[in-house]
Amino acid sequence: AQSVTQLDSQVPVFEEAPVELRCNYSSSVSVYLFWYVQYPNQGLQLLLKYLSGSTLVESINGFEAEFNKSQTSFHLRKPSVHISDTAEYFCAVTLVNAGNMLTFGGGTRLMVKP
Amino acid sequence: DGGITQSPKYLFRKEGQNVTLSCEQNLNHDAMYWYRQDPGQGLRLIYYSQIVNDFQKGDIAEGYSVSREKKESFPLTVTSAQKNPTAFYLCASSQGAEGTEAFFGQGTRLTVV
Repeated sequence: AQSVTQLDSQVPVFEEAPVELRCNYSSSVSVYLFWYVQYPNQGLQLLLKYLSGSTLVESINGFEAEFNKSQTSFHLRKPSVHISDTAEYFCAVTLVNAGNMLTFGGGTRLMVKP
Repeated sequence: DGGITQSPKYLFRKEGQNVTLSCEQNLNHDAMYWYRQDPGQGLRLIYYSQIVNDFQKGDIAEGYSVSREKKESFPLTVTSAQKNPTAFYLCASSQGAEGTEAFFGQGTRLTVV
């Protein structure tokens, strides 16, 4: 069975500072990788995903994540955060050739302070 | 506008009562999912359906039931057998093809008293 571990449950950071949200996964088969963002009392929105090709993927709002197969990681980074980035971030995987069911990590709450 | 609609947003029920959460989508997606969200545990899959009139149990199906009589609708019933039903419930849909984005509803917060 596959699993996803997000190593930090909360990450406080000052505005305009860089941030990294860590994600590691475990699976005996190949996976697709996703980062979703959830604002308070709302559903989840896709931030970015890795399916194949370049291991560095970017979102439209300045986030990026790098797939590292040897370390089974998919850490999310942003060089300069804004107050509006305050939210909960979820890392998730689906198995290749096994449907589209997402397995989520426990989530990381990013708290950006002025 | 296309999207997923969950209703109601907040729901209160007495212990021992069954309750049904609504999920409707107009994205023409084949696949639909129900997840349960608890603090610190992320989202866990309750049930999923990849096609009309067919559905499969997820990781935590005990105490829940679903139906998929129409492509647009995937209601979830929380039965009295569910030992700890208070949670935030999220419905999602996707085209079904691997690697495609899942679109989520706004969620229903169920509180059982």
